[in-house]
Amino acid sequence: EPEVTQTPSHQVTQMGQEVILRCVPISNHLYFYWYRQILGQKVEFLVSFYNNEISEKSEIFDDQFSVERPDGSNFTLKIRSTKLEDSAMYFCASSENGRGNTEAFFGQGTRLTVV
Amino acid sequence: AQSVAQPEDQVNVAEGNPLTVKCTYSVSGNPYLFWYVQYPNRGLQFLLKYITGDNLVKGSYGFEAEFNKSQTSFHLKKPSALVSDSALYFCAVRDTGGYNKLIFGAGTRLAVHP
Repeated sequence: EPEVTQTPSHQVTQMGQEVILRCVPISNHLYFYWYRQILGQKVEFLVSFYNNEISEKSEIFDDQFSVERPDGSNFTLKIRSTKLEDSAMYFCASSENGRGNTEAFFGQGTRLTVV
Repeated sequence: AQSVAQPEDQVNVAEGNPLTVKCTYSVSGNPYLFWYVQYPNRGLQFLLKYITGDNLVKGSYGFEAEFNKSQTSFHLKKPSALVSDSALYFCAVRDTGGYNKLIFGAGTRLAVHP
């Protein structure tokens, strides 16, 4: 069964460093998302991406964050200068289309720890 | 604004007993509702969805959910719980006002005891 894959599974970085989280969405999917889950809290939407541009972003997704689809398979989330409060599990998701009745499929997540 | 509430932080059930994990929603218009499960150190796995039609929706691993429009609820159910069902369960609604992002509830931890 096709699945969304994320690398690395765990990333430890020093405050102020840049990190890139990588995702390979399901191959025929056209919509891509990043969500995050701070430990013990709910899953929060960060950004959605379609047709090589951001379609929606949350207030969390400030200038320190960026997304890119550098080739036909990868979808990345970059945090330019990490802060302690960026420590969270980051989930990539993809869906076949942008219709509301279509489920999104999630990767296993990248646990980011900022020290 | 669309929102989802899961009123229980944890649900404890004995193996073999029926289980219910509660979810209520608040949306404008017709809701698109989803249940996801998260096992330890794993991602979110899609269980089932309600779009339209029958109020009882069947999903993966023997789970089902009952949509109740008058009570704005979408409770997850299973007739006979397994220890392996122990996990974190999230209810979510599509934000049809934007670009269809998912809005999640806080999650309910299900513990099934032998």
